[in-house]
Amino acid sequence: QVQLVESGGGLVKPGGSLRLSCAASGFTFSDYYMTWIRQAPGKGLECVSYISSSSTYTSYAGSVKGRFTISRDNAKNSLYLQMNSLRAEDTAVYYCARRSEAGAGFDYWGQGILVTVSS
Amino acid sequence: QSALTQPRSVSGSPGQSVTISCTGTSSDVGGYNYVSWYQQHPGKAPKLMIYDVSKRPSGVPDRFSGSKSGNTASLTISGLQADDEADYYCCSYAGSYTWVFGGGTKLTVL
Repeated sequence: QVQLVESGGGLVKPGGSLRLSCAASGFTFSDYYMTWIRQAPGKGLECVSYISSSSTYTSYAGSVKGRFTISRDNAKNSLYLQMNSLRAEDTAVYYCARRSEAGAGFDYWGQGILVTVSS
Repeated sequence: QSALTQPRSVSGSPGQSVTISCTGTSSDVGGYNYVSWYQQHPGKAPKLMIYDVSKRPSGVPDRFSGSKSGNTASLTISGLQADDEADYYCCSYAGSYTWVFGGGTKLTVL
C-alpha cells in the first residue's frame, strides 16, 4: 500500500536550518508529482512547494521563496525540503503529499512532522 | 496568491444536507477545473474527498459532491452523519505549478 513517511522535524532556533525527508513506498515514486504542505498550529493548509516527477518544474509559496528548496531522489524514492533562515512563522506540521495520477488532487498524505522555530 | 475564501463554520443535523462554498478569482478557481476538497479530522492528515471539481476518489461516499460556478466552488454533503464532523478545505490550481488552499470550514453535526 502507498506510504509516505516524513522525518527530520524538530526544534530549531530562528535563523537556523532543517532538512525534511519523505520516504515513499508502495508506488512508482518517479511517476508522480509531489508536494510539501504545512499547517501552522490551529490554522489552515498552505502548499509550501511542489515538484514535478523528474524535477523539471518546481514552485514555492511566496512566504518561503528564496529560503526553502524542494528536491527529490527518484532512485531513493525520497522527497526533501531544505529549509533555511527559519522564522517563527514557519512553525507548523509539514506534510508530504502525492498528486493523484487521476487528476488535480493530493491523494496520499504522510502523517506529518512538526517543525518548531523558537529561541 | 491569497487564500481562497471559505465560511468559518457550517452546521447541520444528521440526515440533512450542507454546502460549503469556496470563492477565489479568475486566476485560480475560475480559471481551471482543478478544484479539490479535503476532510481533516482533529490530529489527522487531510483526506482527499473531491478532485477536478466534481470527481470522487474510490471509497468516498456519493453523499459528497462538488460543483463550480464562475469563481466559486462548492462541496455538498448530503445525508449528514456524525463522522462527517471535521474541517474541510478547498484547494485550487493557480497556474505556474502553484496551488492555493481555502482557510478551512469547520462542519458541526448537531
